[in-house]
Amino acid sequence: KQEVTQIPAALSVPEGENLVLNCSFTDSAIYNLQWFRQDPGKGLTSLLLIQSSQREQTSGRLNASLDKSSGRSTLYIAASQPGDSATYLCAPRDAGYALNFGKGTSLLVTP
Amino acid sequence: KAGVTQTPRYLIKTRGQQVTLSCSPISGHRSVSWYQQTPGQGLQFLFEYFSETQRNKGNFPGRFSGRQFSNSRSEMNVSTLELGDSALYLCASSLAFGGPEAFFGQGTRLTVV
Repeated sequence: KQEVTQIPAALSVPEGENLVLNCSFTDSAIYNLQWFRQDPGKGLTSLLLIQSSQREQTSGRLNASLDKSSGRSTLYIAASQPGDSATYLCAPRDAGYALNFGKGTSLLVTP
Repeated sequence: KAGVTQTPRYLIKTRGQQVTLSCSPISGHRSVSWYQQTPGQGLQFLFEYFSETQRNKGNFPGRFSGRQFSNSRSEMNVSTLELGDSALYLCASSLAFGGPEAFFGQGTRLTVV
């Protein structure tokens, strides 16, 4: 069973800082990996999708890397803004095609 | 382009009742997956439907079932509701079975009293 761990569980930073969110998973036989954000009481918004053959993916201020062999992914957020405050979820997709979620990193960016 | 639509947004049910939740995927998407989110267990996979067939199932009791229609819309049913079924139920749509990318709806908040 795929186990996904996200570190840190919570993070509070002043606006403008660059951040790194970490995700580790136990089974490296993944199909792809998605990063999502979730605002309180809302659904999930897809941020980045990394295929298993890719090393990284970028979208605006976001950059995600994937090291499948070591079971790790990181999400880098540049120049953080208060609007980035949310819970960030990492989800590797296993060989059966189900997304496996970590508990998330709760991010608060203060003005 | 419309996103994933889940109805209803909120539900309150009594223990022992049954409930049906609905999910309309993004136009052109043929796969629908369902997830349960609780504070204790986080997000857990329930099942995935593609071309009206259940392709994958998570570790949930048989009280949880689903189906998919020919227009790709999906319904999820929970029978004999328990207090522990209170959760946010999220539906995700993808172009094909297994993705590649999943897009989620806003969820249905189910409260069992």
